[in-house]
Amino acid sequence: AQSVAQPEDQVNVAEGNPLTVKCTYSVSGNPYLFWYVQYPNRGLQFLLKYITGDNLVKGSYGFEAEFNKSQTSFHLKKPSALVSDSALYFCAVRDYSNYQLIWGAGTKLIIKP
Amino acid sequence: DVKVTQSSRYLVKRTGEKVFLECVQDMDHENMFWYRQDPGLGLRLIYFSYDVKMKEKGDIPEGYSVSREKKERFSLILESASTNQTSMYLCASSFPDGPNGYRSNQPQHFGDGTRLSIL
Repeated sequence: AQSVAQPEDQVNVAEGNPLTVKCTYSVSGNPYLFWYVQYPNRGLQFLLKYITGDNLVKGSYGFEAEFNKSQTSFHLKKPSALVSDSALYFCAVRDYSNYQLIWGAGTKLIIKP
Repeated sequence: DVKVTQSSRYLVKRTGEKVFLECVQDMDHENMFWYRQDPGLGLRLIYFSYDVKMKEKGDIPEGYSVSREKKERFSLILESASTNQTSMYLCASSFPDGPNGYRSNQPQHFGDGTRLSIL
């Protein structure tokens, strides 16, 4: 069965430090991977996606994610965190045989000044 | 900028009522989705639509129905509201990748959500 795991409910990072939000997945075919962000009282916003090609994907707001096929991971990263990055982050996956996205439970990112 | 508008931010209804949640998008997207979001469960797909008058069940369609009479509007209906339907409801829309609207890697654009409480 297809699944997505975000192993950390919450990640705390000091402003200016690098951040990583983890995501692992399980699909039967080639994965299509996505990261979305949700700010308080708002809907989700698309950050980036991996479909094929370069394993390092760059997205909005200075975020990037690294696709690792052997570890079935797609971790979200940023070199220097901002307080405004504090939000809820969702990883999602789809394989070509399926029409819908499978969503992780979300990771709350807190950036402290 | 894509705009997905949900008719209400907060809604309080009573058990047994028929509840309508409305969603309108202004980008001529073929695909539209209804999700519910509950803490620790992520997003779960209720229904989606890939064309006018077309609909497909998602993971949790029980107790819900949908209507898509016009391309820009996708309505979610709670036939007889129950307390376990208290949740945040999110509408989204996207373009398809190709002629088969089922499979799309295009980003989904979300509304700000409706927080529904059933008393």
